[in-house]
Amino acid sequence: DTEVTQTPKHLVMGMTNKKSLKCEQHMGHRAMYWYKQKAKKPPELMFVYSYEKLSINESVPSRFSPECPNSSLLNLHLHALQPEDSALYLCASSQDRLPGSYEQYFGPGTRLTVT
Amino acid sequence: ELKVEQNPLFLSMQEGKNYTIYCNYSTTSDRLYWYRQDPGKSLESLFVLLSNGAVKQEGRLMASLDTKARLSTLHITAAVHDLSATYFCAVGGNRDDKIIFGKGTRLHILP
Repeated sequence: DTEVTQTPKHLVMGMTNKKSLKCEQHMGHRAMYWYKQKAKKPPELMFVYSYEKLSINESVPSRFSPECPNSSLLNLHLHALQPEDSALYLCASSQDRLPGSYEQYFGPGTRLTVT
Repeated sequence: ELKVEQNPLFLSMQEGKNYTIYCNYSTTSDRLYWYRQDPGKSLESLFVLLSNGAVKQEGRLMASLDTKARLSTLHITAAVHDLSATYFCAVGGNRDDKIIFGKGTRLHILP
């Protein structure tokens, strides 16, 4: 099983709502990532968890709050978002940065629209 | 600071032709990725290159890495329409978990 799943596939939320995005993998991977991708742009790294600990936060606004409850699950909690936060949110996982299995698998993404 | 430059950003080519996409990066890295993305879809991993001189091939696509020049290439041989997509290179930070993407090359292959 080389699958990363993400739910929901689509999400429309108002600026005062609180919602969560979910990502799951059962490949035993120890690193999990959140990316944001705007149309016709490359993915931008938001957060990285390594062994369930936050290892990278790319100066993401606090209205985005990641959580890694266990090694298979990654959440992204959303609160008081702005319309410019509308984008495709991609989750990815990889075995580990060291010693050498670097391949990164992406989920199908959640398309978020903030109204 | 790690920066990744990809060129060309747009490429329109005829079926049957060969072409190369270039990816330059600014600092030492221990891994380089190539991805394909179809419109409205997620990213599909094509290659991971880890060492100087690494070359990997899958079908009509071949990727190589020159760590001394900080350059990777993705070569397309005898292009076919099905290869139309956006191709991204991405570079891993040296000794950290960061992965930075190039801007992508939108490849359009004319039948």
